[in-house]
Amino acid sequence: KNQVEQSPQSLIILEGKNCTLQCNYTVSPFSNLRWYKQDTGRGPVSLTIMTFSENTKSNGRYTATLDADTKQSSLHITASQLSDSASYICVVSPNYGQNFVFGPGTRLSVLP
Amino acid sequence: DSGVTQTPKHLITATGQRVTLRCSPRSGDLSVYWYQQSLDQGLQFLIQYYNGEERAKGNILERFSAQQFPDLHSELNLSSLELGDSALYFCASSVDPGTLANYGYTFGSGTRLTVV
Repeated sequence: KNQVEQSPQSLIILEGKNCTLQCNYTVSPFSNLRWYKQDTGRGPVSLTIMTFSENTKSNGRYTATLDADTKQSSLHITASQLSDSASYICVVSPNYGQNFVFGPGTRLSVLP
Repeated sequence: DSGVTQTPKHLITATGQRVTLRCSPRSGDLSVYWYQQSLDQGLQFLIQYYNGEERAKGNILERFSAQQFPDLHSELNLSSLELGDSALYFCASSVDPGTLANYGYTFGSGTRLTVV
């Protein structure tokens, strides 16, 4: 069964600190992996997308890594800001054109 | 503004009632997807339409139905509402399913449904 797991479930950090969110998946065959940011009550917004051949992708202070062999991905946030408080969702596409499999998300709270 | 428009933003209704949620996809997008997100839960795929035809079904209840019209907007109909149907309902659109790998979805801001 195609599944996406994320850890931790929630995380609280102080403004300016770095953090790393984890995503493990069992989706096969694998096409691509995305990280989305979802502010409370808003629709998810894509941060990064990586295919199986890519190891790292950056978008400003967000850096995603992918290990297709171990089926793990991480999202590293550098120098966190209060506006980073949101849920971060890992989404895996099982095949070209097929519907995505969503992880449950990690809720990040950045405190002043 | 993502370009995907959902209305209404908020909806409060009583159990047993029927409601219709509306979604206008981003200009040029042919495919529409509906998702349900209950409180503190992940996004659950409900149904997908492509150019007016149903393409895929997820965990959609029989009390729920959807359609996509010739102008590509879509409506999600929820009937015989129960308290547990209270959730955020998101619509997303893409150019076509074949480009998901490159372009992915664009999400709307959602409709918050409260059943009392």
